Amino acid sequence: AQRVTQPEKLLSVFKGAPVELKCNYSYSGSPELFWYVQYSRQRLQLLLRHISRESIKGFTADLNKGETSFHLKKPFAQEEDSAMYYCALMEYGNKLVFGAGTILRVKS
Amino acid sequence: DAGVIQSPRHEVTEMGQEVTLRCKPISGHNSLFWYRQTMMRGLELLIYFNNNVPIDDSGMPEDRFSAKMPNASFSTLKIQPSEPRDSAVYFCASSLSTGELFFGEGSRLTVL
Repeated sequence: AQRVTQPEKLLSVFKGAPVELKCNYSYSGSPELFWYVQYSRQRLQLLLRHISRESIKGFTADLNKGETSFHLKKPFAQEEDSAMYYCALMEYGNKLVFGAGTILRVKS
Repeated sequence: DAGVIQSPRHEVTEMGQEVTLRCKPISGHNSLFWYRQTMMRGLELLIYFNNNVPIDDSGMPEDRFSAKMPNASFSTLKIQPSEPRDSAVYFCASSLSTGELFFGEGSRLTVL
């Protein structure tokens, strides 16, 4: 079965430290992957997608087909980055399957 | 556009009662999704519709769950009878088949 794995439930870092949120996927075809973010008291929203290859709010994510990974990275964490982050995989017919999510806490 | 609108925002009910959650997608979007969010399992896809037609309901946990989309601007998710293990936040999302989903604020369900 197709699957998205986020191994960490909680990641706690200090402000200014690098951040890496891990995501591994299992998919038989050519994957299309996304990162969604849910800030406190806000709606879940798209952060970035691998096909756009852009940096959003300082975050980047590179698709590594060899390691079947799509880790989210930021060189210097900020307090406002604290949120729940979900990795997602698009399957057939626009179906989006999410991982279990990782809570990022950035401490001052 | 107010975005995806869900109601109710909060629902507290007793075991065995029927629960109906409602969703109004963004006008013009052709796909609608229902997700359930729990701490243990994250975001689980329950069912999704394309052009008002249910495409994949494999995530619907049991026959107690049902979903309808009678027209392009309205969908319901019904649980009958409800059980305490159904307690979760239920999200509705809509999209234009681009992979970017627009989520509602969620309906927090507590079954006592």
